[in-house]
Amino acid sequence: EVHLVESGGGLVQPGGSLRLSCAVSGFTFSIYSMSWVRQAPGKGLEWVSYISSSSRTIIYYTESVKGRFTISRDDAKNSLYLQMNSLRGDDTAVYYCVRGLLTADRTFDRWGQGTLVIVSS
Amino acid sequence: DIVLTQSPDSLTVSQGERATINCKSSQNILYNSNNKNYLAWYQQKSGQPPKLLISWASTRDSGVPDRFSGTGSGTDFTLTISSLQAEDVAVYYCQQYYSTPWTFGQGTKVEI
Repeated sequence: EVHLVESGGGLVQPGGSLRLSCAVSGFTFSIYSMSWVRQAPGKGLEWVSYISSSSRTIIYYTESVKGRFTISRDDAKNSLYLQMNSLRGDDTAVYYCVRGLLTADRTFDRWGQGTLVIVSS
Repeated sequence: DIVLTQSPDSLTVSQGERATINCKSSQNILYNSNNKNYLAWYQQKSGQPPKLLISWASTRDSGVPDRFSGTGSGTDFTLTISSLQAEDVAVYYCQQYYSTPWTFGQGTKVEI
């Protein structure tokens, strides 16, 4: 069974940093692209960042996080990461680790339960 | 950025009746070279992460009941639930993956 488990969220002050992790199991992690999608409290969904399968590493970010967030993966550890620096109040959200569908890897066919990031003083 | 506008924002449908959700894109998301529409639909139940229902505008993900169907092309798309069940109460989102940033519609809340 496929599992994606996020960790690393919490309360952080504006300007601070957090590193989110996503441990996956139940599938061959290395062949799948992965993304982070966030959802502010009571709001809709926002795609944040994408990393392709390791065979040809391609990375994308939404404009609002460019230069502040860094996505990475460790296939040996079956893990996805999101390093978040210079955090702002509008980064407050539940962050979901999501797997790309093999036949359409910019869509997201498996989701973790999410980890809540609160940026506040 | 491509903006997706869903309508209505919410709808109430009797159990067993049809529910129809529209998604309009600010730009064409049909890629001519492969004739595919880069649009997906998700369902998010209260307190849960979203679930992929449909990709390529009309291809159901594995295990998705066939009462869910997606249609449309270019800029106008529709998600239809042919016979609404109690377990279909949720917020539904469309998503375009034609160009970055990949964007979602604002969501449509479906109630019974």
